[in-house]
This record gives sequence, C-alpha cells and structure tokens, in this order.
Amino acid sequence: AQTVTQSQPEMSVQEAETVTLSCTYDTSESDYYLFWYKQPPSRQMILVIRQEAYKQQNATENRFSVNFQKAAKSFSLKISDSQLGDAAMYFCAQRAAGNKLTFGGGTRVLVKP
Amino acid sequence: DAGVIQSPRHEVTEMGQEVTLRCKPISGHNSLFWYRQTMMRGLELLIYFNNNVPIDDSGMPEDRFSAKMPNASFSTLKIQPSEPRDSAVYFCASSLAGGLYEQYFGPGTRLTVT
Repeated sequence: AQTVTQSQPEMSVQEAETVTLSCTYDTSESDYYLFWYKQPPSRQMILVIRQEAYKQQNATENRFSVNFQKAAKSFSLKISDSQLGDAAMYFCAQRAAGNKLTFGGGTRVLVKP
Repeated sequence: DAGVIQSPRHEVTEMGQEVTLRCKPISGHNSLFWYRQTMMRGLELLIYFNNNVPIDDSGMPEDRFSAKMPNASFSTLKIQPSEPRDSAVYFCASSLAGGLYEQYFGPGTRLTVT
C-alpha cells in the first residue's frame, strides 16, 4: 500500500520570502510519479508541479521547485518569493501503478504581508 | 474547454434520502475519478474508471455508495440511503490514462446530510 505523509499541518511565511513544505512517501513501486497540488479557499484543486521518479533532475515551475530524494523517499516543495496568492492548502500526491493518486494530509500555507 | 463539470455545487438533504452527484469529464479524457474530502480523513479516492469501466472501487465506503459511467462524457455517484457521516466535499477528476498525466479536478460538490 502507498502512503504519503506531510508532517507540517501549517506553515507561515513572510511575503517575498521562501518556504519549504515537506513530504515523504512509501511505495514498493520502482516507477511512479509525484505531484504537488494547491487548494485555495475556492477549494479548486490546482496542479503546481510534477516529478517523474526516474528523473534525477528536480522539477521547477517558475517560483516553485522540488527537492526529490528518491533513496530517502522525500519530495519537498519550495516556494520562492512568496506572494499573497500562494496562501492555500498544499497536497503532496503519489501516483504509481494504474491511475490512482494517493494524497498526503495537506499543509496550510499562510502568507503574511 | 470548460474543464470538469460537477453538479450540483451544493446539496443539502435529510438522512435516509437518495443523493446523486453528477460529473462531466473533459472531452477526450479516458480516466475518471471520484474523491471525497473531509477534515478527518483528508482526500480519499473512492473509485476510478478507465474507458468507462470501473477499475478500482476499493475506496467505496459501503454498499450505500454506487458509481456509474454509462458513456465517456458522464458519470454519477449515488448514495442511498444517505447518512450524516457522508457529509463531505465530493470531487470528480479526469485525465488521460498514464502516470504522468495531470488529473484535472472539478469544483466539487459540498454535500450536507442532516
């Protein structure tokens, strides 16, 4: 069975600063994919970034980047130059065999002006 | 594209009543997923379909829940009879088949069972 763990229920960051969200996962699969989704108060789930497990290079999307440590089964998200619009719940998710996504419990990000 | 469409957006019903949630996936997508989100249990996959065929329904809580996908452009999730513990936000998502493809989520249906 796959599990995804986000150990930080809430993180606070000053506008323009950087925040890093932690995620660890457990899987017996060798081929899998990892995702970070954002859920603002509107509750719409929005894909932030994705990573293929077979790629060593860390994915980057504008101000969002990941630190993928396959051996440690760790997949952290870094938000640089934080903006007020980044305030939301962030969910780490894993997708292995088949199409199933397993989500972590989420981390709430608060951005202080 | 209009994205994934769900209806209704909000549903309030009394315990024991039948509830039907509806989903229209993005045109061309061949995988469809139903999720439930609660404070206690987070986001849970209930069931998913590939090419209109149910592949994994291990997340369906009990026999009161059923899901159908009669064609590529429509799916329903039915709860009969509903109970207060079914109160949650239910999301439908669709994607192309394959691990890297993004799942596009609908806006969700907030269900309240009194």
